[in-house]
Amino acid sequence: AQSVAQPEDQVNVAEGNPLTVKCTYSVSGNPYLFWYVQYPNRGLQFLLKYITGDNLVKGSYGFEAEFNKSQTSFHLKKPSALVSDSALYFCAVRDLRWGSASKIIFGSGTRLSIRP
Amino acid sequence: EAQVTQNPRYLITVTGKKLTVTCSQNMNHEYMSWYRQDPGLGLRQIYYSMNVEVTDKGDVPEGYKVSRKEKRNFPLILESPSPNQTSLYFCASSLGHSSSNEQFFGPGTRLTVL
Repeated sequence: AQSVAQPEDQVNVAEGNPLTVKCTYSVSGNPYLFWYVQYPNRGLQFLLKYITGDNLVKGSYGFEAEFNKSQTSFHLKKPSALVSDSALYFCAVRDLRWGSASKIIFGSGTRLSIRP
Repeated sequence: EAQVTQNPRYLITVTGKKLTVTCSQNMNHEYMSWYRQDPGLGLRQIYYSMNVEVTDKGDVPEGYKVSRKEKRNFPLILESPSPNQTSLYFCASSLGHSSSNEQFFGPGTRLTVL
C-alpha cells in the first residue's frame, strides 16, 4: 500500500536561515509527488511537483524539492526562510499503478514556524 | 476567477440529521475529490470522481455518499452524521485524468456533529 510520512510535526527556523521539511514515501510503482501549503483558515495551495526528469524541482515562493529515488524521499527546501513562510505543509503522492492512480495519499503535515 | 467553492463554510448539526455539503468548480475539471482533515492525521481522501457519473471510494468512505451528475458539482452527503464525522472538509479538483496534475482546493467546511 502506498504511504507518505512526514516525520516532523513541527520545524522551527530563524528568518534568513535555510529550511528543510522532510517527506518520505512508499509506493509500488513510480510516484508522482506533490507539496502543498496551508495558511490559517485557508484551503491547500499547490507549491510544486515531481513527475519525471530533473530530480530538483522548483516551485512557488522560492521553494524547491529534491526527489531521491534510492532514499524514497522528497524533501522541501528553501535557501532563506521568511516569516511569511510560516504555515502547514503537506506532502502527497499518487501511485502510477493502474487502478490506483486516482487515489491520493497525503502526509500528516508539518507545521513550519519562522521566527524573526 | 478560477476557483473551487464550498458551502456552507461552517455547520453545527446533531447526530442523525442528514446534511449535504456542496462543492462547485468553474475550471471545467474532470477530477474532483473530497477530503477530511483531522489533527495529526493530515488529509484523508473520502471519495473521488474521475468524471460525470464516475465515482469511487477513497480511504475513508464509511458514512459518506457523493454524486457527480454534472461536471462542475460534487456534493458530499452525510445521511446520518455521527460525532466522529466532526472534522474539516475540503473539496478539490484537477484537470483531466492525468495523475500529474495538481489539485485546486476549496476553502474548507468545518463541520461539528453534536
